Amino acid sequence: KAGVTQTPRYLIKTRGQQVTLSCSPISGHRSVSWYQQTPGQGLQFLFEYFSETQRNKGNFPGRFSGRQFSNSRSEMNVSTLELGDSALYLCASSPWTSGDNEQFFGPGTRLTVL
Amino acid sequence: QQQVKQSPQSLIVQKGGISIINCAYENTAFDYFPWYQQFPGKGPALLIAIRPDVSEKKEGRFTISFNKSAKQFSLHIMDSQPGDSATYFCAARFNQFYFGTGTSLTVIP
Repeated sequence: KAGVTQTPRYLIKTRGQQVTLSCSPISGHRSVSWYQQTPGQGLQFLFEYFSETQRNKGNFPGRFSGRQFSNSRSEMNVSTLELGDSALYLCASSPWTSGDNEQFFGPGTRLTVL
Repeated sequence: QQQVKQSPQSLIVQKGGISIINCAYENTAFDYFPWYQQFPGKGPALLIAIRPDVSEKKEGRFTISFNKSAKQFSLHIMDSQPGDSATYFCAARFNQFYFGTGTSLTVIP
């Protein structure tokens, strides 16, 4: 089974621009979560989507948004980029069947904001 | 506020030694505690996980010890190998996953 794929792998943007990141979950997985990873902060939860609906949301400003499509693929958008948004953005998918909590992470998209 | 506190931030262990990483939490509603291993350029990968009704779980050289009353859990890596050199994250789940800040482990040959 193919793993979680994320595109693009690397991205360089300037302040004020917006960016869209894409995530394709493992086939059959219906839950997709997004995380921001920065040195010293670890992984910070952004949001989770399940069956095209946002199920949980972390403590990030409204500039961070996402969506999930009917094929479970997900996109994350960041508008009006700030220098502090430079990070590794990770996507994780989960089958989310009863009692199954395991998350499978993609390799991440490294975003640099100049 | 960090929901899961992890220590140490970095750890250097000799080959064959035991690596121990600790995590503490406050929210008693957490119902699942995984540990992840991350190599440079890769996403985190699940290493081992435990539920709060179990005090210890062992998988090969990796063991989770869970102390519910103290609200602490730890990862023990026995017979540490250079290939174990990576960053390790503990996490806890209640509706969403909360991660520790990570421990960079270096195993010296």
